[in-house]
Amino acid sequence: GDSVTQMEGPVTLSEEAFLTINCTYTATGYPSLFWYVQYPGEGLQLLLKATKADDKGSNKGFEATYRKETTSFHLEKGSVQVSDSAVYFCALTELGNNNDMRFGAGTRLTVKP
Amino acid sequence: IAGITQAPTSQILAAGRRMTLRCTQDMRHNAMYWYRQDLGLGLRLIHYSNTAGTTGKGEVPDGYSVSRANTDDFPLTLASAVPSQTSVYFCASSEHREANYGYTFGSGTRLTVV
Repeated sequence: GDSVTQMEGPVTLSEEAFLTINCTYTATGYPSLFWYVQYPGEGLQLLLKATKADDKGSNKGFEATYRKETTSFHLEKGSVQVSDSAVYFCALTELGNNNDMRFGAGTRLTVKP
Repeated sequence: IAGITQAPTSQILAAGRRMTLRCTQDMRHNAMYWYRQDLGLGLRLIHYSNTAGTTGKGEVPDGYSVSRANTDDFPLTLASAVPSQTSVYFCASSEHREANYGYTFGSGTRLTVV
């Protein structure tokens, strides 16, 4: 079945460092891909999404490109801030099957000043 | 503020007791979902509802039941709680069941079964 694998954390960076969180997926059809962010004590929030190959999702300085050839959707940010400290989840769902969004295990990011 | 409200925020429950977690949304979203979040396992789908009056089973439905009497409410019931149901429970909704719509999540209910 469909699945998502993301890099294990925790990830600790200094402020203004470059961030990459790897995400790869397995899908039988044509999935849409998502990144969600969870701040402490809160629910998940949609960060960005891409619905077809070569699409780039972006929001709040974060970017991810849907790479069908490598089945990847890596999250990047050029300069992280302390306020970016959170848990990040990669997820996918397939067209016509939105009742089965699959999430990765989550990657905890801590940014130190 | 539009969104999803979950109640209670947290609960300690004796094993064997019945418990209903409440979820209400005011966005008129058609689809609603219940997930449990466990360390190292990410989120796993318990039950879903594509529209009022219909429900379906997710990845881990055993021990849980849901109902969807109207668009706004989607309660999750544990008929007889067991310690393995200790988890953080999130309710979510989406405007449509199609794949390119993301989810809106509630703030979660932290449940401890002792």
